[in-house]
Amino acid sequence: GAVVSQHPSWVICKSGTSVKIECRSLDFQATTMFWYRQFPKQSLMLMATSNEGSKATYEQGVEKDKFLINHASLTLSTLTVTSAHPEDSSFYICSAPTGGAYNTEAFFGQGTRLTVV
Amino acid sequence: GNSVTQMEGPVTLSEEAFLTINCTYTATGYPSLFWYVQYPGEGLQLLLKATKADDKGSNKGFEATYRKETTSFHLEKGSVQVSDSAVYFCALRDDKIIFGKGTRLHILP
Repeated sequence: GAVVSQHPSWVICKSGTSVKIECRSLDFQATTMFWYRQFPKQSLMLMATSNEGSKATYEQGVEKDKFLINHASLTLSTLTVTSAHPEDSSFYICSAPTGGAYNTEAFFGQGTRLTVV
Repeated sequence: GNSVTQMEGPVTLSEEAFLTINCTYTATGYPSLFWYVQYPGEGLQLLLKATKADDKGSNKGFEATYRKETTSFHLEKGSVQVSDSAVYFCALRDDKIIFGKGTRLHILP
């Protein structure tokens, strides 16, 4: 089946630095990818929709300048957490649907555990 | 906007018990509905899906029927196993994928 690879699986960074998370669709092209944030024992909160070749669409309350999203190719989207602070520590997950139709399945990366110290 | 509401957990059952996890949704259009499962230490996996009203999705003994009249997509399994212990997420998709809060399921041997 389709595979989505997310890297790194975990990262620890100092407060004030930036961290880049990559999400790749390995065997299919994804014009759209979704980025989520998952708090402990809570659901996945949609942060933004990444669109290949155009600007990402951010959900209300998500800071665009804080969470930079780039979708430069049909198989790669990146999320950069800029000037990270301890409150940004969380589990970030990407997802790529296999097609644009609403009935197509989405596959998920394994997630990235970010810890800001 | 669209939303998904599912029953709060954790849910604890004995092996071979009957399982129901309730899920209702609010949507303006005609979304597809999904159940995803997250096993301990793993990423999300699609469990089953239904793309239109009255469709029934099924996989690994789990079933859910897309009920437009009650805007529901309840997950059921007739006889659970210890290996079913996981977190289950109900989700809907139109231009985005929106998740419910998840229900943690513990199955006791």
